[in-house]
Parts: sequence; structure tokens; C-alpha cells
Amino acid sequence: DSGVTQTPKHLITATGQRVTLRCSPRSGDLSVYWYQQSLDQGLQFLIQYYNGEERAKGNILERFSAQQFPDLHSELNLSSLELGDSALYFCASSGGLADWETQYFGPGTRLLVL
Amino acid sequence: EDQVTQSPEALRLQEGESSSLNCSYTVSGLRGLFWYRQDPGKGPEFLFTLYSAGEEKEKERLKATLTKKESFLHITAPKPEDSATYLCACYGGSQGNLIFGKGTKLSVKP
Repeated sequence: DSGVTQTPKHLITATGQRVTLRCSPRSGDLSVYWYQQSLDQGLQFLIQYYNGEERAKGNILERFSAQQFPDLHSELNLSSLELGDSALYFCASSGGLADWETQYFGPGTRLLVL
Repeated sequence: EDQVTQSPEALRLQEGESSSLNCSYTVSGLRGLFWYRQDPGKGPEFLFTLYSAGEEKEKERLKATLTKKESFLHITAPKPEDSATYLCACYGGSQGNLIFGKGTKLSVKP
């Protein structure tokens, strides 16, 4: 158990809908990262927040957005969903500002868009 | 372009048959190389971090090594419970975030 929690575990929705994925980092960790994992693409970095502020952006679509709240939990919002958004979404956390710190991953949310 | 390439894509071993997984990288200004284990449908589980060429780390039957161009994950006398996908990731380069390889799927048969 990494100490990172994610809800829900599974999500089934329809194209065009909007969903919110939630992540709680390990106790004391200030950085939260979001990743998408699909069968053909592997793990792709989406976005990082540090202590409430956006710190780095990867291949995140404009339809996706995230935020980190004062209690350090984070939410990833996915809107206008398409079939291709079906994937595993992982949250990871690390302690501080050093980007090369070890990231600890949560159990993931499996999203299925029908 | 920063890249992390893992080989082989899949590896089947008999229990007790030692082998190595390879991770080659072209990442400018490598700050760290990470190994994770991932079971189907679960989140990656941290194994090792290596920071500089020549560094080695061990944990049970696993040993990770790092050179200036690649890293190896050596598995000694594997057991069926070592079956998983092993992911290599590098931090550094132009993008400033963790770049993952596609993984090596290891199957260990009793």
C-alpha cells in the first residue's frame, strides 16, 4: 500500500459526459501528479501540482483539467468524453519540490467510455 | 527527443532461471532513473531509484544497475510471484517530467 488513495476505482460513462477523479496523496506529500495509461501508449504524464499550484504540464488535452485543494487532495476533471479516453488514470505523489524525487502511485481509476 | 526504451517486451522464465531486463535511455541531463513493478490493473509499485552511473541497488531477488546509456534489472532465481510488468522511467530532459518506457512483461513459470 503506497498511501496514495484514489476514488472511484471504476467508472463507466457515456461519450460527451463529464467525470471527476479524486486523489489523496501520501501524508505530508505536497506534489501530486496525474497519469493516463492506455494499452498502446503506456504511462503518459498529464499534469503536476505542487502545494496547490500547477507546476508542470504534459500531454493533457484541453478537455481535461485538474486542481489541488488546500488539504492537498487533487481532482482530475475529464469533459466531453470520447471513446479514446477509456484508460487507467493514476495519481502519484511525492514529498517536495525536487522533481526527481520518487513518485508513489495510487491504485488507479479505470474509466470506460461507452 | 527524449526516449526510454525497454527490452524485451515480454520475457518468460522458468522458476530459478536468472535473467536481466534492459532499459536504454536518451534523456539529456538525467536526474534519476526509476524502476517500478506493476501488476495487472494496479498502480506501479516503486522498486528502485538510481541517480548516477555506476550506482547499484538490491532488494531481495532484484538488483538494478545504471550506466550512462542504460539500466539493467537483474532477477536472480525468480519465483512465480515475481511475474509482473516492470517499468523503467527517467526524470530529466527537455520536458521536465517522468518519462516511462512501455515495460517488460515478465512471466515466471513454476
